[in-house]
Amino acid sequence: EIVLTQSPATLSLSPGERATLSCRASQSVSSYLAWYQQKPGQAPRLLIYDASNRATGIPARFSGSGSGTDFTLTISSLEPEDFAVYYCQQRSNWLFTFGPGTKVDIK
Amino acid sequence: EVQLVESGGGLVQPGGSLRLSCSASGFTFSSYAMHWVRQAPGKGLEYVSAISSNGGSTYYADSVKGRFTISRDNSKNTLYLQMSSLRAEDTAVYYCVKDISPGIAAAGTFDYWGQGTLVTVSS
Repeated sequence: EIVLTQSPATLSLSPGERATLSCRASQSVSSYLAWYQQKPGQAPRLLIYDASNRATGIPARFSGSGSGTDFTLTISSLEPEDFAVYYCQQRSNWLFTFGPGTKVDIK
Repeated sequence: EVQLVESGGGLVQPGGSLRLSCSASGFTFSSYAMHWVRQAPGKGLEYVSAISSNGGSTYYADSVKGRFTISRDNSKNTLYLQMSSLRAEDTAVYYCVKDISPGIAAAGTFDYWGQGTLVTVSS
């Protein structure tokens, strides 16, 4: 099983700041990595798929990069609605796993 | 508009059984693989199970293998999860999730999620 590690566990930032979230895989997942956002009491929402493709309706301030084992989600300038938990997820031969999440909270 | 509406959750005793349903609308259900993902209270996301668009292939996480059965009825646009031998650690919100790509196999990216149904396993 491929294990995903996310860092940091919590990121405390102010609106307008840049957020950089990391996801590392225990072995290569090529570009088969997605990012999801989850707010309290809500279902997760797909942000980025295949490492760098924004999902439908996702603002341009969200971007993804990386391949192999190291991936990054960047939020260029945090809006109030971006404070949430972010999960990475890999897809490899029907063996799908999620990372433990990074919480982005207001400083 | 894509809609996924789960039902069937509730309180069940350890060792008991429960069947979850997910009614889908707003897309051609029979063209997409479907998934179940769960989230224990205050915890992260855990992948549970997948089924191909035609129902011919299924996948289970090791934690539920042999206890849970995923199925679908494409004539009713409905996804199911039959859960048996339930344990306290199965307590979670269960989400019905749509795969992003049409086709028989699962692409493994999840573009639409239901609101979830809570399963509580407790005596």
